Amino acid sequence: QFHLVESGGNVVQPGKSLRLSCAASGFPFKSFAMHWVRQAPGKGLEWLAVISYDGSKKYYADSVKGRFTISRDNSRNTLFLEMNSLRPDDTAVYHCAKDSGVWELLPTYWGQGTRVTVTT
Amino acid sequence: IGVTQSPATLSLSPGESATLSCRANESSGNYLAWYQQKPGQVPSLLIFDTSSRATGVPSRFRGSGSGADFTLTISRLQPEDFAVYYCLQRTKWPPLTFGGGTKLEIK
Repeated sequence: QFHLVESGGNVVQPGKSLRLSCAASGFPFKSFAMHWVRQAPGKGLEWLAVISYDGSKKYYADSVKGRFTISRDNSRNTLFLEMNSLRPDDTAVYHCAKDSGVWELLPTYWGQGTRVTVTT
Repeated sequence: IGVTQSPATLSLSPGESATLSCRANESSGNYLAWYQQKPGQVPSLLIFDTSSRATGVPSRFRGSGSGADFTLTISRLQPEDFAVYYCLQRTKWPPLTFGGGTKLEIK
């Protein structure tokens, strides 16, 4: 069974940085693209970024481009999201999600998420 | 591509049928997916590529549409179907774009 566990969420001040991790198990991690999606409190879903199975391709939503960096370590079955210059509107639950394939751009299975709060 | 869902809230009774709409501001091809999110849970994939049901999804869930207009129809609503539904377009990216969601609530 697929298993994704996010960690690294915290309460931080505006302008600070945070690194999220997503530990994957139950499937061949190195064979699937991976996504980050967030959900602000009481709001809808916002796609943030995708990385190809081998890390060679990365794409971002405009709202995080230049501030967030997606990466992966296939030797550790782990996905990362480096978040810099955090703003209050980045407050959300951040989910990693497994793609349906090497590059299908279809999030199919989601982790439970890690909460990020940006506040003074 | 911007994606708009309607209605924002739909109030129906168990046993009735629900029709949820997702409209893109330009042609979205057939790469339109639907997700269901129950309270306190993460989203789960229901439909992909407009009309293909994900593994384990009951046949009462049906996706249809083309171009810029798509529909999720849920027949014979069950109590467990009351949730928030999101559509996702993945034709023109980045970004992948979610609709704002439709809350299906019990009347």
